[in-house]
Amino acid sequence: GENVEQHPSTLSVQEGDSAVIKCTYSDSASNYFPWYKQELGKGPQLIIDIRSNVGEKKDQRIAVTLNKTAKHFSLHITETQPEDSAVYFCAADTGFQKLVFGTGTRLLVSP
Amino acid sequence: EAQVTQNPRYLITVTGKKLTVTCSQNMNHEYMSWYRQDPGLGLRQIYYSMNVEVTDKGDVPEGYKVSRKEKRNFPLILESPSPNQTSLYFCASSFERGLQYFGPGTRLTVT
Repeated sequence: GENVEQHPSTLSVQEGDSAVIKCTYSDSASNYFPWYKQELGKGPQLIIDIRSNVGEKKDQRIAVTLNKTAKHFSLHITETQPEDSAVYFCAADTGFQKLVFGTGTRLLVSP
Repeated sequence: EAQVTQNPRYLITVTGKKLTVTCSQNMNHEYMSWYRQDPGLGLRQIYYSMNVEVTDKGDVPEGYKVSRKEKRNFPLILESPSPNQTSLYFCASSFERGLQYFGPGTRLTVT
């Protein structure tokens, strides 16, 4: 089955810096890759997603890139702010409703 | 307000005492899922449902049951809870592939 690896497990940056979180997947049949942000005490919230027919997608300060050949995708956050501090999860959709998640990255943005 | 609700939010129980965690969504979504979240393991899918009376196993279904008698409700049943089912549980619903809305979570402790 699908296996999703996520790195790093923790990431500390200064406010205004960029943050990059990377994920790799194993199943070449996966074709949908969402990213979720989880704040303390809350459920995960979708922040951006990308489908396999697209190489890059941007939404304001957040962007996601996908390299199907290498089977990896990344989340890029520019001009980080303290409110970006949270746990971020990548996921791969191996089939309808079958999401496999990475183990999460704890991002800390220091003022 | 569009939302997924779960009850209870916190539960402490003893080994072997049957329990049910309820999940309800008000968005008329066909698709619903249950996940458990454990430190270092990310979120793992327990069961999912593609419509009323249609359910299927996720990656970690052992020890759990679900039912989908109504479109809005998707309860998770632990017939005989054990300590290894101590975890944080999330219900999610969606209307299309991958775009899942998560509930606030239920923290379960089995002693």
